[in-house]
Amino acid sequence: DAGVIQSPRHEVTEMGQEVTLRCKPISGHNSLFWYRQTMMRGLELLIYFNNNVPIDDSGMPEDRFSAKMPNASFSTLKIQPSEPRDSAVYFCASSFSHEQYFGPGTRLTVT
Amino acid sequence: GENVEQHPSTLSVQEGDSAVIKCTYSDSASNYFPWYKQELGKGPQLIIDIRSNVGEKKDQRIAVTLNKTAKHFSLHITETQPEDSAVYFCAASEIHNQAGTALIFGKGTTLSVSS
Repeated sequence: DAGVIQSPRHEVTEMGQEVTLRCKPISGHNSLFWYRQTMMRGLELLIYFNNNVPIDDSGMPEDRFSAKMPNASFSTLKIQPSEPRDSAVYFCASSFSHEQYFGPGTRLTVT
Repeated sequence: GENVEQHPSTLSVQEGDSAVIKCTYSDSASNYFPWYKQELGKGPQLIIDIRSNVGEKKDQRIAVTLNKTAKHFSLHITETQPEDSAVYFCAASEIHNQAGTALIFGKGTTLSVSS
């Protein structure tokens, strides 16, 4: 079975540009989570969806960040405009019930 | 909200020794405690979890213990091997029915196993 799929795996962009990260959850999973990992702050939840509906977005840093889940097999995390402090590894995870399975992550570098 | 503390931040052991990583949590409503292993360049991988109605769970060389009264839980790895070297994260969550809920992670422990 394919696990959680994320694209791109690496993204380098200039400050001010729009960045879109993509995630395909494991088929049959009904919850999807976006996390960000940095050395300073560790792993922190940004937002999560149950049955395609956003449940908690309190971790989204500011209005520059937005996430969508138009259907059960696809989600996006968009940053517009991007800033150097957004540089991090962004993980998507999915679950059915409580066990969360993580994707390989997208390493974002904003110069 | 929930806060998870993890210790130690780094741990070095000789191959064959045991390793213990400890975590404490603050929210007594938390009832699900997973442990993740993260290798360099990869996403966290679920290795074992425990629910609050169980005090201990084992899976081959790894075990997790939970003390609800003291609000702490621990990961035990026996007979460590070089391939156990990785960053380990504990997490806590309050799960309801079949709905997903957010995990609050500890800061991680870098385990190094030397042969």
